[in-house]
Amino acid sequence: AQKVTQAQTEISVVEKEDVTLDCVYETRDTTYYLFWYKQPPSGELVFLIRRNSFDEQNEISGRYSWNFQKSTSSFNFTITASQVVDSAVYFCALRPSSARQLTFGSGTQLTVLP
Amino acid sequence: NAGVTQTPKFQVLKTGQSMTLQCAQDMNHEYMSWYRQDPGMGLRLIHYSVGAGITDQGEVPNGYNVSRSTTEDFPLRLLSAAPSQTSVYFCASSYSRGGSITDTQYFGPGTRLTVL
Repeated sequence: AQKVTQAQTEISVVEKEDVTLDCVYETRDTTYYLFWYKQPPSGELVFLIRRNSFDEQNEISGRYSWNFQKSTSSFNFTITASQVVDSAVYFCALRPSSARQLTFGSGTQLTVLP
Repeated sequence: NAGVTQTPKFQVLKTGQSMTLQCAQDMNHEYMSWYRQDPGMGLRLIHYSVGAGITDQGEVPNGYNVSRSTTEDFPLRLLSAAPSQTSVYFCASSYSRGGSITDTQYFGPGTRLTVL
């Protein structure tokens, strides 16, 4: 069975602060895929990134960066210079290659205050 | 492309009523699925389909039925609604090759269902 843990239920920061959202996963598969989705107050789920288990290169996209570490089974997400529009619930998800569905974490509510 | 569309956006039912949540995608994705989202629990898979005529159960299938007669559509049926089915329902789709998902799942805008 697989599991995704997002220990931070809620995080509140002031605009322009950096913030890191933690994600720890468990799977027995050696090949798997990790995802981050954003759910803004409007409710839709927006895909942010997908990472394959065989690619441990960190990724940066504008103010977003992702740190994937297989040794600690973590896939953390950092927002640099946060903005009010970043306020949302962020979900980390896992799909082992043997599975047909995503396993989601419980989400982290990020609030960025002006 | 419209992507993944869902109707209705909101629905209120009384206990025991039945209804169908509609989901359609125009990306020619083989894989489609239904999730429910409840506070503090992330999203949980209800049913999924890897192609027309093929469906299977997910983590929380009880109380729900699905069918897949076309590639584009994947309706979710509640036969006798219960208050425990009050939730937000998301449909998702992705490419699927040989029965395994090889691409990212894209989600519809969701249906907020309340069962009184």
